[in-house]
Amino acid sequence: TQLLEQSPQFLSIQEGENLTVYCNSSSVFSSLQWYRQEPGEGPVLLVTVVTGGEVKKLKRLTFQFGDARKDSSLHITAAQPGDTGLYLCAGFSRGGSNYKLTFGKGTLLTVNP
Amino acid sequence: NAGVTQTPKFQVLKTGQSMTLQCAQDMNHNSMYWYRQDPGMGLRLIYYSASEGTTDKGEVPNGYNVSRLNKREFSLRLESAAPSQTSVYFCASRISGSRNEQFFGPGTRLTVL
Repeated sequence: TQLLEQSPQFLSIQEGENLTVYCNSSSVFSSLQWYRQEPGEGPVLLVTVVTGGEVKKLKRLTFQFGDARKDSSLHITAAQPGDTGLYLCAGFSRGGSNYKLTFGKGTLLTVNP
Repeated sequence: NAGVTQTPKFQVLKTGQSMTLQCAQDMNHNSMYWYRQDPGMGLRLIYYSASEGTTDKGEVPNGYNVSRLNKREFSLRLESAAPSQTSVYFCASRISGSRNEQFFGPGTRLTVL
C-alpha cells in the first residue's frame, strides 16, 4: 500500500508569514498533485508536478517535486487570509491499465488577519 | 458546463436503510471515482470506473456497490447503512493525459444514525 505522509497536520499563522507544507512517501509516483479544499466544497487542483526536481510557481505558491519523485513541498510566501483551507497532496501511479491517486491526510491551514 | 454534480447534498439515514448517491459529469471523461472523506483520514477511494462498463474496488469498498450507468453517470449505493458510513462522499472524474487531473463534485454529507 502506498502512503503519503503530510506535515504538519494543522498550521495557524498570521497574515504575511511564510510557510512550508511537506508531503513524503517511500514510494515513487509518476506525478504528484496538490489540491486545495474549502469548507463544503470538493478539492480543486492547484498543480501537477511530473519531473523529479521540478519546481512550479503559482503566484505566491511554490511547489517542488523531489529528485527521486517520492516527496514534494508547498511553500507559501506572505500568506493571506484567502489562503486558508485544506491542502492535500496526491500521488499518481499506474498499475497496468488502472490509474490511482493516493491522497495524503491533508494540512489544514488557517491564516489570521 | 456544470462539471461534476452530486445529489443529494445532505442526507440522514437510519441504520439499515438503503440509498443511492448520484453523480454525473458533462466533461466527457472516461474515468470516474467515488471517495469518502473522514476527519484525520484524508480521501479514501471506495470504487472507481476506468471506462463505461467497468468498475473496480478501491481501498474501502465494503458495504458499497456502484453502477456505471453510462459515460456520464456513476452511482454509489449503500444497501444497509451503518453508523461507520457517516462521512462526506465525493465523486470525481479524470481527464486523461499528462496532467491526470481529477475534477471533484461538491460532495454529499451523509449521517447514519
